[in-house]
Amino acid sequence: NAGVTQTPKFRVLKTGQSMTLLCAQDMNHEYMYWYRQDPGMGLRLIHYSVGEGTTAKGEVPDGYNVSRLKKQNFLLGLESAAPSQTSVYFCASSSQRGGSGANVLTFGAGSRLTVL
Amino acid sequence: AQTVTQSQPEMSVQEAETVTLSCTYDTSENNYYLFWYKQPPSRQMILVIRQEAYKQQNATENRFSVNFQKAAKSFSLKISDSQLGDTAMYFCAFMKHGGTYKYIFGTGTRLKVLA
Repeated sequence: NAGVTQTPKFRVLKTGQSMTLLCAQDMNHEYMYWYRQDPGMGLRLIHYSVGEGTTAKGEVPDGYNVSRLKKQNFLLGLESAAPSQTSVYFCASSSQRGGSGANVLTFGAGSRLTVL
Repeated sequence: AQTVTQSQPEMSVQEAETVTLSCTYDTSENNYYLFWYKQPPSRQMILVIRQEAYKQQNATENRFSVNFQKAAKSFSLKISDSQLGDTAMYFCAFMKHGGTYKYIFGTGTRLKVLA
């Protein structure tokens, strides 16, 4: 049971570089999310998806783009990285199905991104 | 818009003692879910407990229980018989049933269990 897998786990970028974080889940969950975690600010929602081919903005979407071409994958892209995007990024997924497990977020292990 | 507030940035408790972490939220919705998640130093987020707002009975999971006060919009987590492995960051989260399925998190409470 892999659950939610994020790659890469660590990355250092220079200002202006681009990169993509990949999230893959094997639980057939409908909903997928990208959060960023910064000290003292909890988890803030960047973008989310309620199904294959759909995406929506969260609280802090600026500077990020996402795509969900396949149900199991949710990609987070940074087109031109900025130091303010230095953070730990978490992917998560959930489903309405599952009885007592319904609507429980399953998280990936996180990806630490540093932008110099 | 919904908000979640955790007013205790840091707490400590002696091993085997009981500690309560507070969480309040603001919503006009009637049907929603509330969660407590634990983030140990490994960084992996783990579900501690889940509460459905339409259920009046407080959720429990072994040493973890909640005090859910819907009218007061309060959702505190009680940890009994604290163990060193409970040392972690704890996040309270809210999700409205139906609609966008967005989860809103509080800023977290860092709990340290002392030997």
